[in-house]
Amino acid sequence: DVKVTQSSRYLVKRTGEKVFLECVQDMDHENMFWYRQDPGLGLRLIYFSYDVKMKEKGDIPEGYSVSREKKERFSLILESASTNQTSMYLCASSWGRWGVEEETQYFGPGTRLLVL
Amino acid sequence: QQPVQSPQAVILREGEDAVINCSSSKALYSVHWYRQKHGEAPVFLMILLKGGEQKGHDKISASFNEKKQQSSLYLTASQLSYSGTYFCGTPSPTGTASKLTFGTGTRLQVTL
Repeated sequence: DVKVTQSSRYLVKRTGEKVFLECVQDMDHENMFWYRQDPGLGLRLIYFSYDVKMKEKGDIPEGYSVSREKKERFSLILESASTNQTSMYLCASSWGRWGVEEETQYFGPGTRLLVL
Repeated sequence: QQPVQSPQAVILREGEDAVINCSSSKALYSVHWYRQKHGEAPVFLMILLKGGEQKGHDKISASFNEKKQQSSLYLTASQLSYSGTYFCGTPSPTGTASKLTFGTGTRLQVTL
């Protein structure tokens, strides 16, 4: 079974702090994704990575950056946390070998971030 | 653009049926369906690959109409375990990887 883990289930930070959210997958997937989930807005893509050190912006990248130094690990960074970044953050991964079937994404349990 | 899902929420009694719709403003070649139970990660249900093709997962099936750029998820004889939020996802190849754009979700609650 594919396993995607996230470093924290719950996190409380103060405005202006630098926040790191970590995600690790154990299935040698090429692609990794960061989403935020807010009520009524569904899952919105922040950034994704298709290879080590490679990244692309998603639909809502403002205020975020990412890092992928190793294939299995994808980090989301909030350079200066703000209250409007309070949300549930979900990481996902997929094979990324260009077959439609392989676009299936496997999600981690999520990190609920509260910025005070 | 995000696919549009309807309804936004639905409450069913156990054993009743429900339909969840997903519409896209762009051409589709596949549609993915995921379910997220309360407090858990979204889990893949199925992919619809061809127009008009139906797929099934337990008593949950789905159809995909390419021409109408729509997909529908059918939950038959619903069970308590069907409760959760259902998302459709539409692929967007970027040239480097394929990402999914998810709909806003449909919250389904099944009661006794």
